[in-house]
Amino acid sequence: GAVVSQHPSRVICKSGTSVKIECRSLDFQATTMFWYRQFPKQSLMLMATSNEGSKATYEQGVEKDKFLINHASLTLSTLTVTSAHPEDSSFYICSAHQGNRGHEQYFGPGTRLTVT
Amino acid sequence: AQTVTQSQPEMSVQEAETVTLSCTYDTSENNYYLFWYKQPPSRQMILVIRQEAYKQQNATENRFSVNFQKAAKSFSLKISDSQLGDTAMYFCALRSNQGGKLIFGQGTELSVKP
Repeated sequence: GAVVSQHPSRVICKSGTSVKIECRSLDFQATTMFWYRQFPKQSLMLMATSNEGSKATYEQGVEKDKFLINHASLTLSTLTVTSAHPEDSSFYICSAHQGNRGHEQYFGPGTRLTVT
Repeated sequence: AQTVTQSQPEMSVQEAETVTLSCTYDTSENNYYLFWYKQPPSRQMILVIRQEAYKQQNATENRFSVNFQKAAKSFSLKISDSQLGDTAMYFCALRSNQGGKLIFGQGTELSVKP
């Protein structure tokens, strides 16, 4: 149990375009989902926290107009990188937490974004 | 502010031996949770072990155990009988009661050598 999927696993897009990454909890309802960014050989940096049906809470320094997060249902959250630039190239990881399922987060496999 | 510090960027250990990864943290909360996550080359984050701060007993999961020193705010991970499959990046994390978000340490890259 507690499986989280991400789609796509890899995506290449051109500068100026937008790309959407999906995060799904497959066998549980996620009251909260988190989005992280990870550069090579570095730690995970939390970008935002999203709760189903409400606006995401962004971490300091994360541009909310650039990284649009939607958590429309208890099993799906999406991250849209708008007007992508090469510096947005990174590994993006989502995680999900169910309120009555302990205190750990369950992580998706990640999405590698390359902006050319 | 809550922080997590892993002071060992890289470590190596011979197969079948024991290795200890260090982690210190800072929080003003009294009840919190600590985790060790493993990130192998596939980059999938895998939960290794967790510790509730209100529990004095150190958590153990098969070959993995922790040394939790609450007063010192230290949370080290011991891997016994190291296996080649243990080669990975290991992250120590503190779960904040503010929204449940995780604060990660910088990570320790562990190599298990045959």
